[in-house]
Amino acid sequence: AQSVTQPDIHITVSEGASLELRCNYSYGATPYLFWYVQSPGQGLQLLLKYFSGDTLVQGIKGFEAEFKRSQSSFNLRKPSVHWSDAAEYFCAVGAGDYKLSFGAGTTVTVRA
Amino acid sequence: DAGVIQSPRHEVTEMGQEVTLRCKPISGHNSLFWYRQTMMRGLELLIYFNNNVPIDDSGMPEDRFSAKMPNASFSTLKIQPSEPRDSAVYFCASAGDRNEQFFGPGTRLTVL
Repeated sequence: AQSVTQPDIHITVSEGASLELRCNYSYGATPYLFWYVQSPGQGLQLLLKYFSGDTLVQGIKGFEAEFKRSQSSFNLRKPSVHWSDAAEYFCAVGAGDYKLSFGAGTTVTVRA
Repeated sequence: DAGVIQSPRHEVTEMGQEVTLRCKPISGHNSLFWYRQTMMRGLELLIYFNNNVPIDDSGMPEDRFSAKMPNASFSTLKIQPSEPRDSAVYFCASAGDRNEQFFGPGTRLTVL
């Protein structure tokens, strides 16, 4: 069965600074990979996804993620964060059986 | 498309009462998922349906919980009788293919 690890529980970043959130997965084949964002009191919104092809994927809100098979990673990045990026971020992996395995989430705090 | 619709958005009830949560998936999606989110346990998959048929209900915590999907456009999650430890945010999500799940806004349940 697949699994996901998000090593950072909480990250604080200054507005305008770059952000990188780590995600490592465990799965025997090429997985489907996703990043979701959850703002307080809201549902999960899909930021971006990787199925195959180009390993650098672009998402909404200026986010991008890179799939690295050798490291079993799918890290999320943003060059310059905005105060509105403060939220909880979830990495998820799917294996084609309709289910997703979610990481525990990383809470991002943005300071002025 | 209106996205995944959940009702009610908030529910406050007393211990022992029956609670019914409702979900309308995105039209054309053939998979539907019910999740529960708490601070202690994070995001947990309760049950998922494919083509209106329950495929995996191993996440349903107890017999007090039941879920139905009578047709492709409607699903319910019922808790009877409810207990204070059932207090959580319950999310419904739907997917068309490749595990790409779209989440509803959630129902915040408080059991007193």
